[in-house]
Amino acid sequence: DTGVSQDPRHKITKRGQNVTFRCDPISEHNRLYWYRQTLGQGPEFLTYFQNEAQLEKSRLLSDRFSAERPKGSFSTLEIQRTEQGDSAMYLCASWRPGGGNTIYFGEGSWLTVV
Amino acid sequence: DAKTTQPPSMDCAEGRAANLPCNHSTISGNEYVYWYRQIHSQGPQYIIHGLKNNETNEMASLIITEDRKSSTLILPHATLRDTAVYYCIVRLNSNSGYALNFGKGTSLLVTP
Repeated sequence: DTGVSQDPRHKITKRGQNVTFRCDPISEHNRLYWYRQTLGQGPEFLTYFQNEAQLEKSRLLSDRFSAERPKGSFSTLEIQRTEQGDSAMYLCASWRPGGGNTIYFGEGSWLTVV
Repeated sequence: DAKTTQPPSMDCAEGRAANLPCNHSTISGNEYVYWYRQIHSQGPQYIIHGLKNNETNEMASLIITEDRKSSTLILPHATLRDTAVYYCIVRLNSNSGYALNFGKGTSLLVTP
């Protein structure tokens, strides 16, 4: 069990630039979740995938946010035209039906928009 | 999912039991109670979950009241490494794969 892996761990970008975060879930975990966490708040659910299908995306914060999971394995979260308010930690988590009740989280990707 | 209410912060002396309360008065019959914690700058870590019976594992114990409207997470011998934010979450049937909805949690400070 190598855990949920996220890359990069830290990213500093200028306002207006695009950024992409990658998540590698635990092997055979077909559910993958993205969350955002700002300072002093709990993680906020954004979207999730069942294999390559994105089953919930109404909680994505704006149309600047998009996520993909093209082959049902790793996933990417892209933020276009970043704004200072996008500065946060972006968390990925994964789960396998029938594999227990635990959703496992990665260590997160910190984004700072300057 | 039902809402939960937790105190914003608590202190506990090292070596003592830490008892973290959670109210979930609107919980429905098929919702589980989950506890996660988040140590500074890390991702949330699963601790324990239960439906209506008390549960214990190597990390903690979970006590759920008979009416299921509240629960208590017990860390039997708190250490400095238990300093973290603890989240109580209620979630539909565990096999659904539904996302966890986090509140603000309780910030636990374990002191020497």
